[in-house]
Amino acid sequence: EVQLLESGGGLVQPGGSLRLSCAASGFTFSSYVMNWVRQAPGKGLEWVSSISGSDGYTYYADSVKGRFTISRDNSKNTLYLQMNSLRAEDTAVYYCAKGRGGSHTFSDYWGQGTRVTVSS
Amino acid sequence: EILMTQSPATLSVSPGERATLSCRASQSVSSNLAWYQQKPGQAPRLLIYGASTRATGIPARFSGSGSGTEFTLTISSLQSEDFALYYCQQYDNWPRTFGQGTKVEIK
Repeated sequence: EVQLLESGGGLVQPGGSLRLSCAASGFTFSSYVMNWVRQAPGKGLEWVSSISGSDGYTYYADSVKGRFTISRDNSKNTLYLQMNSLRAEDTAVYYCAKGRGGSHTFSDYWGQGTRVTVSS
Repeated sequence: EILMTQSPATLSVSPGERATLSCRASQSVSSNLAWYQQKPGQAPRLLIYGASTRATGIPARFSGSGSGTEFTLTISSLQSEDFALYYCQQYDNWPRTFGQGTKVEIK
């Protein structure tokens, strides 16, 4: 059974940093693209970032490029999102999602999310 | 960036009736289109990928169609558990983009 468990969310001041983690199990982690998707309060889904399985290619939304860094540790089956220079508009629930597909990947399994609040 | 537009924003349907949700892409995404269902307080769940392939465990009353720029999600006979938010997402190009969602509510 695929399981994704996010952690690391919380309250942070504007300009601060936070690192999210996503512990994965139930599949061969290194073989799959992994994604971060967020949802601001009362709003829709927004794709944030993706990372390939083993060769380290990364992709970012323009809204987070240069501030957020996605990474993974395949030996620990863990996905990360380092978030720097946080803004109020980054307030959201952040979901970790497993990718599926070849060069075109969608998200087939999602974690329950971790809440990030950016406020003074 | 590919803009995904869903319509209507809200769909009021009686249980047992058919629901038809639309998703339009600002440029062709081929068949690289997924549909997700989200209930309050829950994570999204994959329903359809490849525009028309049901994900594992998804009931046959859910069907997807379309290609290029026009897509449809049909729920043939709405059950109580189907009242939720539905999002489409293109995964043809970076950045991946979602539609703004369609809320299916009880009429």
